Amino acid sequence: SQTIHQWPATLVQPVGSPLSLECTVEGTSNPNLYWYRQAAGRGLQLLFYSVGIGQISSEVPQNLSASRPQDRQFILSSKKLLLSDSGFYLCAWSAHKIFTEKLFFGSGTQLSVL
Amino acid sequence: GNSVTQMEGPVTLSEEAFLTINCTYTATGYPSLFWYVQYPGEGLQLLLKATKADDKGSNKGFEATYRKETTSFHLEKGSVQVSDSAVYFCALSDQAPETSGSRLTFGEGTQLTVNP
Repeated sequence: SQTIHQWPATLVQPVGSPLSLECTVEGTSNPNLYWYRQAAGRGLQLLFYSVGIGQISSEVPQNLSASRPQDRQFILSSKKLLLSDSGFYLCAWSAHKIFTEKLFFGSGTQLSVL
Repeated sequence: GNSVTQMEGPVTLSEEAFLTINCTYTATGYPSLFWYVQYPGEGLQLLLKATKADDKGSNKGFEATYRKETTSFHLEKGSVQVSDSAVYFCALSDQAPETSGSRLTFGEGTQLTVNP
């Protein structure tokens, strides 16, 4: 069966420090991968999605970047965190065609930037 | 810990039929409850929400009532349209929705197909 792992669960970082959140999927090949963030008062916001290795699409301009170095690995990064980067980050995957399949979510990372 | 149990899909209905997608939850305290929807070709988006017991969230003809006594937040629509075909996710947050970074717990999602 397929599983998705996301870590760390909680992270506290100072402003200006780098960030790396990792997400891996097991039990499937060539998944579509997504990074979402819980935005204040707006619900989930799609940040990035990827349909394959090295293929990253960005939905909103921001201080963050994403990479997919391996088929089932999706990394969310920042060189210098801002206070506004605080939030709850969710990784998700889907099979087959992008945006048409049911999403499966990781357990999320609560990021606090102080 | 928190959990959300959602009606298994897929659900297939004819246009103008009545829709119910069941959602029950387990949580400590008083969570906020949400329904999210993913339309084909789009990312996940918030459909409606309720932040306290007996609140009714509504949007686009969909409704859901926060029932604390039955720990449920069932999604309903009186007359579905083909354009309602999508995947629907029930979710809860243990913090106020206005708080940035409220941890969300999702149900498994229910695929709805509405035929003309």
